[in-house]
Amino acid sequence: QKEVEQDPGPLSVPEGAIVSLNCTYSNSAFQYFMWYRQYSRKGPELLMYTYSSGNKEDGRFTAQVDKSSKYISLFIRDSQPSDSATYLCAMSAGGSTLGRLYFGRGTQLTVWP
Amino acid sequence: GAGVSQSPRYKVAKRGQDVALRCDPISGHVSLFWYQQALGQGPEFLTYFQNEAQLDKSGLPSDRFFAERPEGSVSTLKIQRTQQEDSAVYLCASSLGTGLAGFYEQYFGPGTRLTVT
Repeated sequence: QKEVEQDPGPLSVPEGAIVSLNCTYSNSAFQYFMWYRQYSRKGPELLMYTYSSGNKEDGRFTAQVDKSSKYISLFIRDSQPSDSATYLCAMSAGGSTLGRLYFGRGTQLTVWP
Repeated sequence: GAGVSQSPRYKVAKRGQDVALRCDPISGHVSLFWYQQALGQGPEFLTYFQNEAQLDKSGLPSDRFFAERPEGSVSTLKIQRTQQEDSAVYLCASSLGTGLAGFYEQYFGPGTRLTVT
């Protein structure tokens, strides 16, 4: 079993929908949580970064972390066709493994006009 | 300035050949990371540099994989005697390397797609 689990989808929604993306993890040492977006044939780009439990909002994006359930989510409001990409969750334990990221396999999202 | 660049973008190697993949990080970024991304999977950590020091190489899958960053900027990932299972996209990322966000805000290059035939 991988340390980070993510449903690969694909997920297809109409423009304007609210999208919910999720990851679960098994390592209770993870403290830092990130969401990356990856377009086809490109490298991942950082969308959101949160530390420990709680919510963080940035424009149309909201990240939630529930450490007690080992569950993180990314919500996208008013989704746009330009949001069509693969969304990767990533996390790290810090300490001696500072900077080492553990990624989920990614969820492929398509937003149709 | 410019983002992280990688070369070549595509590489085809015959099984048993050696390959060298290059990464040019963002100027001034102290930390540099290599990841391997198989088709349909998320990136898997390979190794990490802080300046020229290789601080973590625990993700390198075998002793055929070797990485260096001799002057603390450009890095090269070398794979000796390539095998078919080495076929993947190799991603390089860099970060400021200071403060917590300086490690976790990693900026990725476009990757090198390696195909071993």
